[in-house]
Amino acid sequence: GENVEQHPSTLSVQEGDSAVIKCTYSDSASNYFPWYKQELGKRPQLIIDIRSNVGEKKDQRIAVTLNKTAKHFSLHITETQPEDSAVYFCAATSSGSARQLTFGSGTQLTVLP
Amino acid sequence: NAGVTQTPKFRILKIGQSMTLQCTQDMNHNYMYWYRQDPGMGLKLIYYSVGAGITDKGEVPNGYNVSRSTTEDFPLRLELAAPSQTSVYFCASSPTGGDTQYFGPGTRLTVL
Repeated sequence: GENVEQHPSTLSVQEGDSAVIKCTYSDSASNYFPWYKQELGKRPQLIIDIRSNVGEKKDQRIAVTLNKTAKHFSLHITETQPEDSAVYFCAATSSGSARQLTFGSGTQLTVLP
Repeated sequence: NAGVTQTPKFRILKIGQSMTLQCTQDMNHNYMYWYRQDPGMGLKLIYYSVGAGITDKGEVPNGYNVSRSTTEDFPLRLELAAPSQTSVYFCASSPTGGDTQYFGPGTRLTVL
């Protein structure tokens, strides 16, 4: 099955700096890679996603890059703000018929004012 | 459009008790999922369904059962609760496989 590894597990940055979170996946057939943000006590919410036919996608301060050859993808947050503090999860689809998501273990991002 | 709803929000069970966690979605999604999230950890897939009448096991199905009699509802049954089932349970739905999943607010379960 799919295996998704996520690094780092914790990340602290100063407000205004950039943050980068990286994930690797094992199944070369994976073709959908979403990123979720989970605030304390809340549900995971999709912030950006990318499909395997695209190398990069950007939405305001958030961008995701995908390297299919190396089987890794990254989340980039620029001009970080205190409200960006949360746990971020990456995920990748499995190759099974239902193509369910396998999630990474999460990154606790803290933006220091 | 309420999205994905879950009940109850919180529950405390004694060891050996049983309960059903309810999940309903109003987006007419075919795919539905149950995850558990242990403190400080990621999401582990318990069961999923690709349509009414069709369910399948995920990564951690032991101790749980599901049914899918309608498109809207996907209840999760815990039989003989154990302390290891203390967790936050999230239900999610998506239009198809390999697509965006929308999560419910979660049920926080404690087994004592």
